[in-house]
Amino acid sequence: NAGVTQTPKFQVLKTGQSMTLQCAQDMNHNSMYWYRQDPGMGLRLIYYSASEGTTDKGEVPNGYNVSRLNKREFSLRLESAAPSQTSVYFCASRQRGLETQYFGPGTRLLVL
Amino acid sequence: KNEVEQSPQNLTAQEGEFITINCSYSVGISALHWLQQHPGGGIVSLFMLSSGKKKHGRLIATINIQEKHSSLHITASHPRDSAVYICAANLLNFGNEKLTFGTGTRLTIIP
Repeated sequence: NAGVTQTPKFQVLKTGQSMTLQCAQDMNHNSMYWYRQDPGMGLRLIYYSASEGTTDKGEVPNGYNVSRLNKREFSLRLESAAPSQTSVYFCASRQRGLETQYFGPGTRLLVL
Repeated sequence: KNEVEQSPQNLTAQEGEFITINCSYSVGISALHWLQQHPGGGIVSLFMLSSGKKKHGRLIATINIQEKHSSLHITASHPRDSAVYICAANLLNFGNEKLTFGTGTRLTIIP
């Protein structure tokens, strides 16, 4: 039981490049989340998906798109990376009816 | 102003000391969470509570709903407790789907 997995662990991009961050969970959870974590700030919600086939914007969605491919997988895409998107990105999942979220190990992204 | 605030931002203590980290929130909540983030970056949930007190080993979490305040205590602190401790809340106006996070407290325990 791997829990929540994320790939890649670390990525360097040039401004304007695109990339997709992958997230998968094997706990059969309904809800999945993408957060970013920046120094001096709390985790901020980018997008979330309450169930397969649905996605909703969070606090900081600009510059990102998401896909809930199936119940297991929730990907985050940066179409045209900007230095302001340099951050650590966390994926999380939650079972409906329970409040606890389970986090992936994070992806460290550097945009030059 | 963040709806969930923590104090202190940084805390350094000697091994064995009793540690208290505070969290206050400004609006109604359905649940309050304490999470731990180790230097390697991984985040794990320690407690979820909506009233009273919970204990797990040397960690104790309390919440006072009327005062909109929660505390995380660590008894007999150890260097392996060094981590960032994060408070988060399910705000009533956001339902259970979203968490609002504090900025974290960096705890360093010196041997």
